[in-house]
Amino acid sequence: DGGITQSPKYLFRKEGQNVTLSCEQNLNHDAMYWYRQDPGQGLRLIYYSQIVNDFQKGDIAEGYSVSREKKESFPLTVTSAQKNPTAFYLCASSNLNTQYFGPGTRLTVL
Amino acid sequence: QQPVQSPQAVILREGEDAVINCSSSKALYSVHWYRQKHGEAPVFLMILLKGGEQKGHEKISASFNEKKQQSSLYLTASQLSYSGTYFCGTESEGGTSYGKLTFGQGTILTVHP
Repeated sequence: DGGITQSPKYLFRKEGQNVTLSCEQNLNHDAMYWYRQDPGQGLRLIYYSQIVNDFQKGDIAEGYSVSREKKESFPLTVTSAQKNPTAFYLCASSNLNTQYFGPGTRLTVL
Repeated sequence: QQPVQSPQAVILREGEDAVINCSSSKALYSVHWYRQKHGEAPVFLMILLKGGEQKGHEKISASFNEKKQQSSLYLTASQLSYSGTYFCGTESEGGTSYGKLTFGQGTILTVHP
C-alpha cells in the first residue's frame, strides 16, 4: 500500500535534548512538508522541500532543521533551541496540487 | 497571512445543513479543504482552482469566489461521521513556492443524533 509513515506515534524527550522525527513516503511525490499543530489551532508550516537536496523555511522554522537526501525521506530535527517543542507534528507529501498527510507524531517535552 | 475561517464552531443535528467559509486577503490560485478527526491526520476533501468549477461529491460541495478571495464548504444532510475540524488551505497566486499552503485556524463541526 502506498502512503506516508511517521514514527514514532508518541515521543517523550527531556528539555534540552534534540530529537528527530521520521517521515517516509512511497508515493513517488517530489514535494514534502512538515507542519506543527497546537491544540485548537491550524497547521503551521515549518519546512518544505520540492526536490531532493533542496528545502526552504516555512513560517516557523526557528529551532528546527531538516534534510532531504532521498526522495522518499524528509526527517525533521527539533533542536534544543525550539522554545516550545511540545506539539503534534504532521508530515505531508504532494503530487501537483494535493497534499496528503501522514498519521503524525505527538511530541512531549518534559 | 493566514486565511480566516467562519464560524469557529458549529453544532448540528443529523440531517441538518452547514456552511463553512474561508476568506483570504491575498489573491488566490487554489483553495484546499481538509477534515481532521481528533488526534488523527487531516484528510483531503477537495481542491478548487482558479477558473475551475464548483466541486462536490455526495453531500459535500464547495465553491470558490475568485473576485472576493473566498471559498465556502457546503455540507448537506449532515451525518455523524461529518464531525471533526475542517480546515481550508490556500495557495497564493503568483507565488514561487509551488504547492505551499497556508491553513486557516479551523472550524469545529459537531453533529449530534
